[in-house]
Amino acid sequence: GESVGLHLPTLSVQEGDNSIINCAYSNSASDYFIWYKQESGKGPQFIIDIRSNMDKRQGQRVTVLLNKTVKHLSLQIAATQPGDSAVYFCAEKRNYGQNFVFGPGTRLSVLP
Amino acid sequence: KAGVTQTPRYLIKTRGQQVTLSCSPISGHRSVSWYQQTPGQGLQFLFEYFSETQRNKGNFPGRFSGRQFSNSRSEMNVSTLELGDSALYLCASSLGGPSSTIYFGEGSWLTVV
Repeated sequence: GESVGLHLPTLSVQEGDNSIINCAYSNSASDYFIWYKQESGKGPQFIIDIRSNMDKRQGQRVTVLLNKTVKHLSLQIAATQPGDSAVYFCAEKRNYGQNFVFGPGTRLSVLP
Repeated sequence: KAGVTQTPRYLIKTRGQQVTLSCSPISGHRSVSWYQQTPGQGLQFLFEYFSETQRNKGNFPGRFSGRQFSNSRSEMNVSTLELGDSALYLCASSLGGPSSTIYFGEGSWLTVV
């Protein structure tokens, strides 16, 4: 099967600081992107999405930035809280239908 | 409204056996897709069903199969289980449009011994 990679990067931030999680995608034809949060023992939870005709989208405490020139996606979390500790995945949609390709994920640890 | 429901949550099978996992999508969602999640390979797409038809398929062997019923509920089956099939199997549902968000269930943890 497809795999973006095996290494799971870790980001540690102080409670209250802003977090930035990055993701590189591979297919310039991808037109829809989603960020998911996965807590231990649970399924991925939708956070925010963005379509390729946008550069930025904001939600509650979260912002997603899309740079199509360098095929880069980032998730910014404002005022990070202990409940934000989880693994965060970016997903790109390549084909018609629901075939999403997921990045390897980034583990976010929030320090007290 | 209720989210995506997967059963069973946990199961242990022996090599060579077969297993069937079930998924009930969010009400009104017609697309169901299945993913396998392992520490080594991450989240990998298995297949997607829309209106009882397989619309997309990932790069998994034929031992992995699925189906969808007229009420959009879906099942996936893995035959002749191997140790490497141990994983979290995730079901996701969506409305099925080109840019529809997919919502995941909590997954079924399969251990093959």
